[in-house]
Amino acid sequence: SQTIHQWPATLVQPVGSPLSLECTVEGTSNPNLYWYRQAAGRGLQLLFYSVGIGQISSEVPQNLSASRPQDRQFILSSKKLLLSDSGFYLCARDRGRYNTEAFFGQGTRLTVV
Amino acid sequence: EDQVTQSPEALRLQEGESSSLNCSYTVSGLRGLFWYRQDPGKGPEFLFTLYSAGEEKEKERLKATLTKKESFLHITAPKPEDSATYLCAVQAKNNNNDMRFGAGTRLTVKP
Repeated sequence: SQTIHQWPATLVQPVGSPLSLECTVEGTSNPNLYWYRQAAGRGLQLLFYSVGIGQISSEVPQNLSASRPQDRQFILSSKKLLLSDSGFYLCARDRGRYNTEAFFGQGTRLTVV
Repeated sequence: EDQVTQSPEALRLQEGESSSLNCSYTVSGLRGLFWYRQDPGKGPEFLFTLYSAGEEKEKERLKATLTKKESFLHITAPKPEDSATYLCAVQAKNNNNDMRFGAGTRLTVKP
């Protein structure tokens, strides 16, 4: 099983408030983990990926950060949310090999008001 | 820069009316091309991976094909439950940790 647990499913937060989205995965150990954001009518945009504990790479400059405190745990955070942070956030994993598909969680719909 | 363009943006079919979705891509060395299905408010569900031109894969009413410039997702005799957004993504050989996604094709199959 490559199950991915992502919560919460929906979140409404005021501008300037902090954010913490958590993702935990099952299956093979030492997976590559990813955070994507999906805007309405647009493709998924890669925000962060991690190839191991404590190893985070960022694809785009932004108001968000990510951490991987455990092999199967990936956290997306912000100290102060902006309106532009609203979107559908998806956690994903692969099997840690080349030529491998990604498996996605069910996503978190974040609305910043 | 790697790019993925999907067409059409939206497609409405009658049940049983076969059609194809297109995914055109530009990538500096293709490692893999992926098709996903996404239902509203859900995460994408993996369908297929294609690695080289000429490759084909099938699953129920879906068949994916790949050339050096594009991929097609053929839907044969679709049913209303096939209604979803279909996403295409490519992974480049020089970028193992990024899949570049298209914006998707929103398919509606009417009974």
